[in-house]
Amino acid sequence: NAGVMQNPRHLVRRRGQEARLRCSPMKGHSHVYWYRQLPEEGLKFMVYLQKENIIDESGMPKERFSAEFPKEGPSILRIQQVVRGDSAAYFCASSPDRRTSSYNEQFFGPGTRLTVL
Amino acid sequence: DQQVKQNSPSLSVQEGRISILNCDYTNSMFDYFLWYKKYPAEGPTFLISISSIKDKNEDGRFTVFLNKSAKHLSLHIVPSQPGDSAVYFCAASSPGGAQKLVFGQGTRLTINP
Repeated sequence: NAGVMQNPRHLVRRRGQEARLRCSPMKGHSHVYWYRQLPEEGLKFMVYLQKENIIDESGMPKERFSAEFPKEGPSILRIQQVVRGDSAAYFCASSPDRRTSSYNEQFFGPGTRLTVL
Repeated sequence: DQQVKQNSPSLSVQEGRISILNCDYTNSMFDYFLWYKKYPAEGPTFLISISSIKDKNEDGRFTVFLNKSAKHLSLHIVPSQPGDSAVYFCAASSPGGAQKLVFGQGTRLTINP
């Protein structure tokens, strides 16, 4: 039973380039969440998606950041024109449909560590 | 505005003794609380959770206590083992569609032999 998968694990970009982070949820999970962790801090919520829908993007910066979860394929977190302050660990989590589970445990992937030079 | 706070950045405990990690929250709408464990360069791993309708949940060596009036929860690990050395995050969610988790800053637990 594969867990949440994220790739790449490490990503280095120069300022102004684009970063694309991918997340495949656990089998049977239809909810995907993206979180960002800055050094020595806790995880901060960015966006919550279901297939083809953005449910809550209240934690996403207004510019340069976007996310999608298409009908087929992984969820993508896209950062355009990266700046040094975007350097962080980005974690994806997934959870089952609330109709099949009364719990809200979210299962996390290993993260993508983005370094902006 | 830090809605979930873990005021101890670090904690050292001797192997075999009890580890107690604390967490405070300010949002009275939170109704579900979770503890995650995180090793370096890995994602958080779910440990144990508790609903606001309970005051205690136990799973093996791990017990979570919830005091709603004080807006405080704690994680007890007994007996502590060297493999428990990690960063522990407390998280909370509120009812409704968003289901996003609000995390504390984490507490680094070190188990000494």
